[in-house]
Amino acid sequence: DAKTTQPPSMDCAEGRAANLPCNHSTISGNEYVYWYRQIHSQGPQYIIHGLKNNETNEMASLIITEDRKSSTLILPHATLRDTAVYYCIVKNFGNEKLTFGTGTRLTIIP
Amino acid sequence: SAVISQKPSRDICQRGTSLTIQCQVDSQVTMMFWYRQQPGQSLTLIATANQGSEATYESGFVIDKFPISRPNLTFSTLTVSNMSPEDSSIYLCSVELAGVGEQFFGPGTRLTVL
Repeated sequence: DAKTTQPPSMDCAEGRAANLPCNHSTISGNEYVYWYRQIHSQGPQYIIHGLKNNETNEMASLIITEDRKSSTLILPHATLRDTAVYYCIVKNFGNEKLTFGTGTRLTIIP
Repeated sequence: SAVISQKPSRDICQRGTSLTIQCQVDSQVTMMFWYRQQPGQSLTLIATANQGSEATYESGFVIDKFPISRPNLTFSTLTVSNMSPEDSSIYLCSVELAGVGEQFFGPGTRLTVL
């Protein structure tokens, strides 16, 4: 699986959009970009995934650059409950392991 | 989605003993995974639990230390054997539903070894 690079920490004001970047310059053509988050003392939670098109669901939007070497997870209106560690992971679709990096610790400021 | 439960939710154990962690899923799944999360660290995959065959272990993890059972498509156990304080971690199981793409995680088992 390709490696990812994320900033170790970010702050965002409550109610604003949180934009979390991820670099995955060695991603292969079959690999998807997945985002998970882990709220303190809980198991990781799936957020969204995509291959090359931008994706949106009830939790977030995923913007993938045209060359697929980077992506941005957008939480449109951050709340205090969005404070968590966010992991960007690239892997093939299907029954394969997730390789977690160090993630970005996002803190939502009241 | 899938609902996953783990037992126990936490335990405090003495060194040299063993603990078996159970993972139960509310639907049949092909792949189940066991992860470890040491204090302040990210998650590390221990092994993939295969139904009907031996588990597939990641580098640095061996069957004698972390034996895994997978008797059916909804249940798996992970045993942490001959524990030492370095085994103090959160142990999590996860599953991936066929054709869905994302993995669902259990709440974790918080293990403290004294």
